Amino acid sequence: EPEVTQTPSHQVTQMGQEVILRCVPISNHLYFYWYRQILGQKVEFLVSFYNNEISEKSEIFDDQFSVERPDGSNFTLKIRSTKLEDSAMYFCASSDAAGYGYTFGSGTRLTVV
Amino acid sequence: AQSVTQLDSQVPVFEEAPVELRCNYSSSVSVYLFWYVQYPNQGLQLLLKYLSGSTLVESINGFEAEFNKSQTSFHLRKPSVHISDTAEYFCAVSEGSSASKIIFGSGTRLSIRP
Repeated sequence: EPEVTQTPSHQVTQMGQEVILRCVPISNHLYFYWYRQILGQKVEFLVSFYNNEISEKSEIFDDQFSVERPDGSNFTLKIRSTKLEDSAMYFCASSDAAGYGYTFGSGTRLTVV
Repeated sequence: AQSVTQLDSQVPVFEEAPVELRCNYSSSVSVYLFWYVQYPNQGLQLLLKYLSGSTLVESINGFEAEFNKSQTSFHLRKPSVHISDTAEYFCAVSEGSSASKIIFGSGTRLSIRP
């Protein structure tokens, strides 16, 4: 079964540093998403991306965050200057045009120290 | 705007007992409904989903959920739980007309006692 692949599985970074989280969505999917789960809390929507542009973003997705699809396969989330409160599990997801094949990756655990 | 309410943050049950995890949603448009499971220190796995058609949907490991439009509910049930079902369960909703974001509930931690 097709998978959404995320790397790395765990990243530790110092406060103020830039971090890039990487995702390889399912190849024929058109919509891409990032979600965040702070430890012990619910999963929160960050941003959706379609046709090489952001289609929707939440209040959490401020100017410190950016997304990019640099080539035909990768989808990245960049946090420009990490803060302690950015520590969370970050999930990538992708779906097809009708939203039927919504699939999550296994997540990247980001720890900001 | 859509929202999801999971009234029970924790549900302890004995092994082989039945369980129901409650989920209610609010939306002004037609919806897709999901249950995701998260085992300790792991990612999100889709357990089952309702997109259209039969209001009763089933998973391969014995869980089922029923979409009730009049009560705006999508409760998850299993007639007999196993220790291996210990996990966090998230109910979620998305707009049914397009590939839109998924809104998650706060989760229900299911703990199984031997």
